[in-house]
Amino acid sequence: GQNIDQPTEMTATEGAIVQINCTYQTSGFNGLFWYQQHAGEAPTFLSYNVLDGLEEKGRFSSFLSRSKGYSYLLLKELQMKDSASYLCAALDSNYQLIWGAGTKLIIKP
Amino acid sequence: GAVVSQHPSWVICKSGTSVKIECRSLDFQATTMFWYRQFPKQSLMLMATSNEGSKATYEQGVEKDKFLINHASLTLSTLTVTSAHPEDSSFYICSARDLAGNEQFFGPGTRLTVL
Repeated sequence: GQNIDQPTEMTATEGAIVQINCTYQTSGFNGLFWYQQHAGEAPTFLSYNVLDGLEEKGRFSSFLSRSKGYSYLLLKELQMKDSASYLCAALDSNYQLIWGAGTKLIIKP
Repeated sequence: GAVVSQHPSWVICKSGTSVKIECRSLDFQATTMFWYRQFPKQSLMLMATSNEGSKATYEQGVEKDKFLINHASLTLSTLTVTSAHPEDSSFYICSARDLAGNEQFFGPGTRLTVL
């Protein structure tokens, strides 16, 4: 079956760095997405990885290892506004997104 | 960037009534649109995949006669919740995928409350 695993909740301190991990098992693979979702709002796109390696975009970076079925989202210089849920989603062979349950990130001052 | 709108943003209705939610891609053509439902503190749950000009594909456990989906054009898909009940109260989100890419662009969501 298809499955996405990510931690349910993480806590970090303002100004620090946090890494949110995601492992996936899908029928075929066409890329890995990370989305940010604030409470009561729709998800917003953060990153897309289809090749192995690290993609950096400002304070956020995303890493993919296809051989390991593993990705992580790295958030640097954390700000209070980064408190949100972070959703990992893998695109399968039918180009359908398989969603993780999301990681709730709590930022403390 | 690609923009997807949803209307209405909020709707409160009485039990037994039907509610229509519109999803529009404003600056691109979407051959495929997706409808999701999200209950509080839970992840997105895909309800159905809608392809322009053809019948929607529903996920297991989603009643196609209750959740009517129409994707009549490349920029508009509608979801009608028929005979809504309190357990249908949820956050309904649509997303659209353009012709070229793999990314899904999300609408802002519609919060449905059934009294």
